Amino acid sequence: GIQVEQSPPDLILQEGANSTLRCNFSDSVNNLQWFHQNPWGQLINLFYIPSGTKQNGRLSATTVATERYSLLYISSSQTTDSGVYFCAVEGDAGNNRKLIWGLGTSLAVNP
Amino acid sequence: NAGVTQTPKFRILKIGQSMTLQCAQDMNHNYMYWYRQDPGMGLKLIYYSVGAGITDKGEVPNGYNVSRSTTEDFPLRLELAAPSQTSVYFCASSYGGGAGGYNEQFFGPGTRLTVL
Repeated sequence: GIQVEQSPPDLILQEGANSTLRCNFSDSVNNLQWFHQNPWGQLINLFYIPSGTKQNGRLSATTVATERYSLLYISSSQTTDSGVYFCAVEGDAGNNRKLIWGLGTSLAVNP
Repeated sequence: NAGVTQTPKFRILKIGQSMTLQCAQDMNHNYMYWYRQDPGMGLKLIYYSVGAGITDKGEVPNGYNVSRSTTEDFPLRLELAAPSQTSVYFCASSYGGGAGGYNEQFFGPGTRLTVL
């Protein structure tokens, strides 16, 4: 099945710094979503981005489907950005109905 | 819209007990999903449904059952709870499947289950 790898596994930033999180996937996809899981465990949809580029405030994401990777950019990080960032994909082969999840990038933003 | 709602938020079970986790959505989504998340891991799919009366297994279905009698509700049943089922359970929904944005999944707040 499709494999999803995220890097880095852990990241510590000072408030105000920028960062880039990466998601590599092993096969073509028809769904790629980025989520933020906050310290209380809630999953928050950040982007639905199987291809192209999107921006939402300080966050933006780019997926290059032909090269099988996606990047999540966080600019001017804030302490509220702390938590785990997950990339999840749905392969476009066959009758897939499930999101396959990476192991996440754990981000800590220090004041 | 409330989106996807789950009850209860927390539950402690003894080994061998049974319980039902409730999930409801008010977005008129056809597809619904149950995932579990173990510590330090991503989510794994337990069961999913593409419409009322239709369910199918995901990656880790053993020890669970589901039913989908209405579009809105998708309960998950645990029979004979075991310590290995200690996890956080998330319900999700999407309008449909395939490309074009219909398969974007929206998640509930989760149920934290401990089996002792």
